[in-house]
Amino acid sequence: DSGVTQTPKHLITATGQRVTLRCSPRSGDLSVYWYQQSLDQGLQFLIQYYNGEERAKGNILERFSAQQFPDLHSELNLSSLELGDSALYFCASSVRGSDSPLHFGNGTRLTVT
Amino acid sequence: KNQVEQSPQSLIILEGKNCTLQCNYTVSPFSNLRWYKQDTGRGPVSLTIMTFSENTKSNGRYTATLDADTKQSSLHITASQLSDSASYICVVSADRAAGNKLTFGGGTRVLVKP
Repeated sequence: DSGVTQTPKHLITATGQRVTLRCSPRSGDLSVYWYQQSLDQGLQFLIQYYNGEERAKGNILERFSAQQFPDLHSELNLSSLELGDSALYFCASSVRGSDSPLHFGNGTRLTVT
Repeated sequence: KNQVEQSPQSLIILEGKNCTLQCNYTVSPFSNLRWYKQDTGRGPVSLTIMTFSENTKSNGRYTATLDADTKQSSLHITASQLSDSASYICVVSADRAAGNKLTFGGGTRVLVKP
């Protein structure tokens, strides 16, 4: 068990809808990262937060947004969903920045129909 | 452009046999290299982390090597077990001056057959 909790585990929704994915990092970890993994593809970095502030941005679409709250949990919001957004979304956390080991949650599987 | 290339893309081995996975990178300036194991539908789990000065590190039956001069790493699995069936991902971190940016390889999918 990595200590990183993601909810929900599965999400099925229709095109055009909006969903929110939630991540609770490991106790004591200040950084949260979001990754997207489409079927049989590698992990694509979306965004990183450190202690409530955005630290780095990857290939995140404008339809997607995220935030990290004072209690350090994070939410990833996906809107105007398209079929191509169907993927596994992973959250990871680390003590500091990405120079420290990353611990991944088990992901949220999003299916857009 | 920072890149991490893994080979082979996939391989099938018989239970009990050994195998070696390769990772070549162009990330610079280099900070560390990590190997992760990802079971299907699960999050990646760290196997090893190596810095510039380390050229080998073991974690049970997994042994990673690093040649920072040639920018190559390998992950050797000894006496494979069915539970080793997974994707293995090589991740290279740039140093602090470059924001510790992580570059992910595409992974090698390993299938261990009885």
